[in-house]
Amino acid sequence: EVHLLESGGGLVQPGRSLRLSCAASGFVFDDYAMHWVRQGPGKGLEWVSGINWGGSTVAYADSVKGRFTISRDNARDSLSLQMTSLRAEDTALYFCTRDLRTEVTGELDYWGQGTLVTVSS
Amino acid sequence: QPALTQPRSVSGSPGQSVTISCTGTRSDVGAYDYVSWYQHHPDKAPKLIIYDVSKRPSGVPDRFSGSKSGNTASLTISGLQADDEADYYCCSTGGAYDLSVVFGGGTKLTVL
Repeated sequence: EVHLLESGGGLVQPGRSLRLSCAASGFVFDDYAMHWVRQGPGKGLEWVSGINWGGSTVAYADSVKGRFTISRDNARDSLSLQMTSLRAEDTALYFCTRDLRTEVTGELDYWGQGTLVTVSS
Repeated sequence: QPALTQPRSVSGSPGQSVTISCTGTRSDVGAYDYVSWYQHHPDKAPKLIIYDVSKRPSGVPDRFSGSKSGNTASLTISGLQADDEADYYCCSTGGAYDLSVVFGGGTKLTVL
Protein backbone atom coordinates (compact mmCIF):
# COMPACT_ATOMS: atom_id res chain seq x y z
CA GLU A 1 0.00 0.00 0.00
CA VAL A 2 1.31 3.42 -0.96
CA HIS A 3 2.01 5.62 2.04
CA LEU A 4 3.34 9.17 2.20
CA LEU A 5 4.15 10.61 5.62
CA GLU A 6 5.05 14.26 5.95
CA SER A 7 6.93 15.77 8.87
CA GLY A 8 8.75 18.92 9.84
CA GLY A 9 5.90 21.39 10.07
CA GLY A 10 5.48 23.80 12.96
CA LEU A 11 5.37 27.40 14.07
CA VAL A 12 8.13 29.60 12.66
CA GLN A 13 8.79 33.32 12.64
CA PRO A 14 8.70 35.35 9.43
CA GLY A 15 12.03 35.34 7.65
CA ARG A 16 13.15 32.07 9.20
CA SER A 17 13.62 28.68 7.57
CA LEU A 18 12.00 25.27 7.87
CA ARG A 19 12.60 21.90 6.22
CA LEU A 20 9.76 19.53 5.41
CA SER A 21 10.29 15.85 4.80
CA CYS A 22 8.18 13.11 3.27
CA ALA A 23 8.83 9.42 3.85
CA ALA A 24 7.49 7.23 1.06
CA SER A 25 6.69 3.53 1.23
CA GLY A 26 4.75 0.87 -0.62
CA PHE A 27 6.06 1.64 -4.10
CA VAL A 28 9.29 1.99 -6.08
CA PHE A 29 10.10 5.58 -5.17
CA ASP A 30 12.42 6.38 -8.06
CA ASP A 31 9.79 5.33 -10.61
CA TYR A 32 7.79 8.49 -9.95
CA ALA A 33 8.01 12.25 -9.95
CA MET A 34 6.97 13.87 -6.66
CA HIS A 35 5.41 17.16 -5.65
CA TRP A 36 4.50 19.45 -2.77
CA VAL A 37 1.04 21.00 -2.77
CA ARG A 38 -0.29 23.34 -0.08
CA GLN A 39 -3.61 24.63 1.16
CA GLY A 40 -3.74 27.85 3.12
CA PRO A 41 -6.47 28.48 5.71
CA GLY A 42 -9.76 28.93 3.92
CA LYS A 43 -8.07 28.69 0.54
CA GLY A 44 -7.83 26.23 -2.32
CA LEU A 45 -5.07 23.87 -3.34
CA GLU A 46 -1.87 25.47 -4.59
CA TRP A 47 0.90 23.59 -6.33
CA VAL A 48 4.27 24.47 -4.77
CA SER A 49 6.97 22.41 -6.42
CA GLY A 50 7.71 19.24 -8.36
CA ILE A 51 10.73 17.06 -9.06
CA ASN A 52 11.20 14.30 -11.60
CA TRP A 53 12.17 10.75 -10.78
CA GLY A 54 15.91 11.30 -10.72
CA GLY A 55 16.00 14.83 -9.37
CA SER A 56 17.43 16.33 -12.55
CA THR A 57 14.33 18.40 -13.28
CA VAL A 58 12.65 20.63 -10.74
CA ALA A 59 9.89 23.23 -10.99
CA TYR A 60 8.46 25.84 -8.66
CA ALA A 61 5.43 28.06 -8.38
CA ASP A 62 6.28 31.74 -8.88
CA SER A 63 5.20 32.41 -5.28
CA VAL A 64 8.05 30.31 -3.86
CA LYS A 65 10.71 30.50 -6.58
CA GLY A 66 14.05 31.52 -5.14
CA ARG A 67 12.97 30.75 -1.56
CA PHE A 68 12.06 27.05 -1.60
CA THR A 69 14.18 24.11 -2.76
CA ILE A 70 12.82 20.66 -3.49
CA SER A 71 15.03 17.60 -3.38
CA ARG A 72 14.81 13.84 -3.14
CA ASP A 73 16.93 10.97 -1.85
CA ASN A 74 16.03 7.87 -3.81
CA ALA A 75 18.27 5.71 -1.64
CA ARG A 76 16.13 6.64 1.37
CA ASP A 77 12.77 6.95 -0.39
CA SER A 78 12.39 10.49 0.84
CA LEU A 79 11.34 13.88 -0.48
CA SER A 80 12.24 17.22 1.08
CA LEU A 81 11.29 20.86 0.83
CA GLN A 82 13.70 23.44 2.20
CA MET A 83 11.81 26.65 2.86
CA THR A 84 13.65 29.90 3.53
CA SER A 85 12.60 33.55 3.99
CA LEU A 86 9.21 32.36 5.13
CA ARG A 87 6.27 34.75 4.95
CA ALA A 88 2.87 34.83 6.61
CA GLU A 89 1.30 33.83 3.30
CA ASP A 90 3.27 30.56 3.36
CA THR A 91 1.08 29.44 6.27
CA ALA A 92 -0.63 26.30 5.02
CA LEU A 93 -1.06 22.56 5.24
CA TYR A 94 1.65 21.08 3.03
CA PHE A 95 0.92 17.82 1.21
CA CYS A 96 3.48 15.42 -0.23
CA THR A 97 2.06 13.90 -3.42
CA ARG A 98 3.06 11.36 -6.05
CA ASP A 99 2.87 12.02 -9.78
CA LEU A 100 1.46 9.38 -12.08
CA ARG A 101 4.64 9.43 -14.14
CA THR A 102 8.41 9.66 -13.94
CA GLU A 103 8.37 13.23 -15.21
CA VAL A 104 6.43 16.18 -13.83
CA THR A 105 2.88 16.21 -15.20
CA GLY A 106 0.92 17.40 -12.17
CA GLU A 107 -1.39 14.40 -12.17
CA LEU A 108 -1.22 13.31 -8.55
CA ASP A 109 -2.49 9.88 -7.61
CA TYR A 110 -1.44 9.62 -3.95
CA TRP A 111 -1.41 12.23 -1.22
CA GLY A 112 -0.13 12.30 2.33
CA GLN A 113 -2.20 13.70 5.18
CA GLY A 114 -0.16 16.90 5.29
CA THR A 115 2.02 18.79 7.73
CA LEU A 116 1.01 22.21 9.02
CA VAL A 117 3.31 25.19 8.67
CA THR A 118 2.41 28.37 10.53
CA VAL A 119 4.45 31.50 9.90
CA SER A 120 3.83 34.05 12.63
CA SER A 121 5.70 36.23 15.06
CA GLN B 1 0.90 31.11 -13.35
CA PRO B 2 -2.67 32.36 -12.87
CA ALA B 3 -5.04 29.80 -11.45
CA LEU B 4 -7.44 27.98 -13.72
CA THR B 5 -10.97 29.41 -13.52
CA GLN B 6 -13.71 27.34 -11.91
CA PRO B 7 -17.16 28.35 -10.65
CA ARG B 8 -17.08 28.90 -6.90
CA SER B 9 -20.09 26.68 -6.32
CA VAL B 10 -22.55 24.34 -8.01
CA SER B 11 -25.45 22.38 -6.63
CA GLY B 12 -27.81 19.58 -7.58
CA SER B 13 -30.32 17.18 -6.12
CA PRO B 14 -29.66 13.48 -5.59
CA GLY B 15 -29.85 11.60 -8.85
CA GLN B 16 -29.25 14.67 -10.98
CA SER B 17 -26.13 15.56 -12.97
CA VAL B 18 -23.84 18.55 -12.55
CA THR B 19 -20.96 19.83 -14.66
CA ILE B 20 -18.02 21.84 -13.38
CA SER B 21 -16.00 23.85 -15.87
CA CYS B 22 -12.32 24.66 -15.72
CA THR B 23 -11.00 27.36 -18.02
CA GLY B 24 -7.33 27.85 -18.70
CA THR B 25 -5.31 29.10 -21.63
CA ARG B 26 -3.74 27.71 -24.76
CA SER B 27 -0.54 27.33 -22.73
CA ASP B 28 -1.97 24.89 -20.21
CA VAL B 29 -5.41 23.26 -20.59
CA GLY B 30 -5.50 23.97 -24.30
CA ALA B 31 -2.02 22.68 -24.98
CA TYR B 32 -1.77 19.40 -23.11
CA ASP B 33 -3.91 16.46 -22.08
CA TYR B 34 -2.46 16.38 -18.55
CA VAL B 35 -5.70 17.63 -17.04
CA SER B 36 -6.78 16.08 -13.77
CA TRP B 37 -9.59 16.49 -11.27
CA TYR B 38 -9.58 16.01 -7.50
CA GLN B 39 -12.32 15.48 -4.94
CA HIS B 40 -11.55 16.97 -1.54
CA HIS B 41 -13.64 16.26 1.52
CA PRO B 42 -12.85 18.35 4.63
CA ASP B 43 -10.09 16.93 6.81
CA LYS B 44 -9.20 14.30 4.23
CA ALA B 45 -6.48 14.11 1.62
CA PRO B 46 -7.58 15.09 -1.89
CA LYS B 47 -8.47 12.18 -4.15
CA LEU B 48 -7.65 11.87 -7.85
CA ILE B 49 -10.86 11.15 -9.77
CA ILE B 50 -9.93 12.02 -13.38
CA TYR B 51 -6.58 12.14 -15.17
CA ASP B 52 -5.48 12.62 -18.78
CA VAL B 53 -8.67 14.68 -19.30
CA SER B 54 -11.07 11.75 -19.20
CA LYS B 55 -9.53 8.64 -17.62
CA ARG B 56 -10.68 7.29 -14.27
CA PRO B 57 -8.35 5.67 -11.75
CA SER B 58 -9.29 2.23 -10.55
CA GLY B 59 -12.13 2.38 -8.04
CA VAL B 60 -13.63 5.67 -9.21
CA PRO B 61 -17.22 5.11 -10.34
CA ASP B 62 -18.17 5.84 -13.94
CA ARG B 63 -20.59 8.48 -12.63
CA PHE B 64 -17.54 10.74 -12.86
CA SER B 65 -16.48 11.75 -16.35
CA GLY B 66 -14.16 14.33 -17.83
CA SER B 67 -13.81 16.09 -21.15
CA LYS B 68 -12.05 19.01 -22.79
CA SER B 69 -12.80 21.46 -25.56
CA GLY B 70 -10.22 24.05 -26.45
CA ASN B 71 -9.01 25.79 -23.31
CA THR B 72 -11.85 24.50 -21.12
CA ALA B 73 -12.04 21.18 -19.33
CA SER B 74 -15.18 19.85 -17.68
CA LEU B 75 -16.06 17.38 -14.96
CA THR B 76 -19.52 15.84 -15.02
CA ILE B 77 -20.95 13.97 -12.07
CA SER B 78 -24.10 12.02 -12.84
CA GLY B 79 -26.48 10.30 -10.43
CA LEU B 80 -25.52 12.68 -7.62
CA GLN B 81 -25.15 11.13 -4.19
CA ALA B 82 -24.90 12.79 -0.79
CA ASP B 83 -21.27 11.73 -0.44
CA ASP B 84 -20.37 13.63 -3.60
CA GLU B 85 -20.70 16.85 -1.62
CA ALA B 86 -17.12 18.12 -1.54
CA ASP B 87 -14.71 20.59 -3.09
CA TYR B 88 -13.53 19.78 -6.61
CA TYR B 89 -10.31 21.04 -8.16
CA CYS B 90 -9.03 20.85 -11.69
CA CYS B 91 -5.34 20.84 -12.43
CA SER B 92 -3.18 21.16 -15.52
CA THR B 93 0.42 21.13 -16.43
CA GLY B 94 1.70 24.46 -17.62
CA GLY B 95 3.76 22.76 -20.26
CA ALA B 96 7.09 21.28 -21.12
CA TYR B 97 8.83 24.67 -21.15
CA ASP B 98 8.53 25.70 -17.52
CA LEU B 99 7.13 22.47 -16.10
CA SER B 100 4.72 24.43 -13.94
CA VAL B 101 1.53 22.96 -12.60
CA VAL B 102 -1.58 24.99 -11.90
CA PHE B 103 -4.77 24.25 -9.97
CA GLY B 104 -8.17 25.76 -10.39
CA GLY B 105 -9.61 27.81 -7.55
CA GLY B 106 -11.93 25.00 -6.54
CA THR B 107 -15.68 24.45 -6.76
CA LYS B 108 -17.89 23.63 -3.81
CA LEU B 109 -20.50 21.03 -4.79
CA THR B 110 -23.62 21.02 -2.64
CA VAL B 111 -26.02 18.10 -2.87
CA LEU B 112 -29.42 19.53 -2.00
